[in-house]
Amino acid sequence: GAVVSQHPSRVICKSGTSVKIECRSLDFQATTMFWYRQFPKQSLMLMATSNEGSKATYEQGVEKDKFLINHASLTLSTLTVTSAHPEDSSFYICSARVQDRGLDEQYFGPGTRLTVT
Amino acid sequence: AQSVTQLDSHVSVSEGTPVLLRCNYSSSYSPSLFWYVQHPNKGLQLLLKYTSAATLVKGINGFEAEFKKSETSFHLTKPSAHMSDAAEYFCVVSDLLIQGAQKLVFGQGTRLTINP
Repeated sequence: GAVVSQHPSRVICKSGTSVKIECRSLDFQATTMFWYRQFPKQSLMLMATSNEGSKATYEQGVEKDKFLINHASLTLSTLTVTSAHPEDSSFYICSARVQDRGLDEQYFGPGTRLTVT
Repeated sequence: AQSVTQLDSHVSVSEGTPVLLRCNYSSSYSPSLFWYVQHPNKGLQLLLKYTSAATLVKGINGFEAEFKKSETSFHLTKPSAHMSDAAEYFCVVSDLLIQGAQKLVFGQGTRLTINP
């Protein structure tokens, strides 16, 4: 099956610094990737849709200048949390869209736990 | 906008007994519905999906779900729970974005606990 990886799996950073999270599709090409945020014991909330070679589409309420998304290739999307604050601490999950022979599904990465101190 | 409501935040059953996780959806058109499972420290895994074909959908690991339009429900069931089924389960409905990509809208999640 399609495999999506995320790096790092855990990161701790200080307030005011920036941190980059990578999402890779390992054995397929993904023209569309998605970034979600999950608070403890809560559901996943879609943050943005990332399309290769174009600007990301952000959901209402998500600050595009704070959460920078770059989808530079068909196998890599990155999420950069800029000027991180403790309230940005969360579990960030990416997914990649697979379209092949009638299949249209999203495959999820294992997530990245961000802690801002 | 599409939405789903998972009626139970926590379900606890004994090993070997049936599992029922309840989900109701709201959609202005015929939706695609999914159940995902999230094990600790692992990525979300698709259990099954409904896309307007058969109303009874069979998934992996013995799970199945039935789409009932009259009740706007898509409950997840399994005849006999196994210890390895302990996890968080999400009912999900899709909403169409531009360019045909599906936007997934997640329910609040149900934590399934299996008692020995």
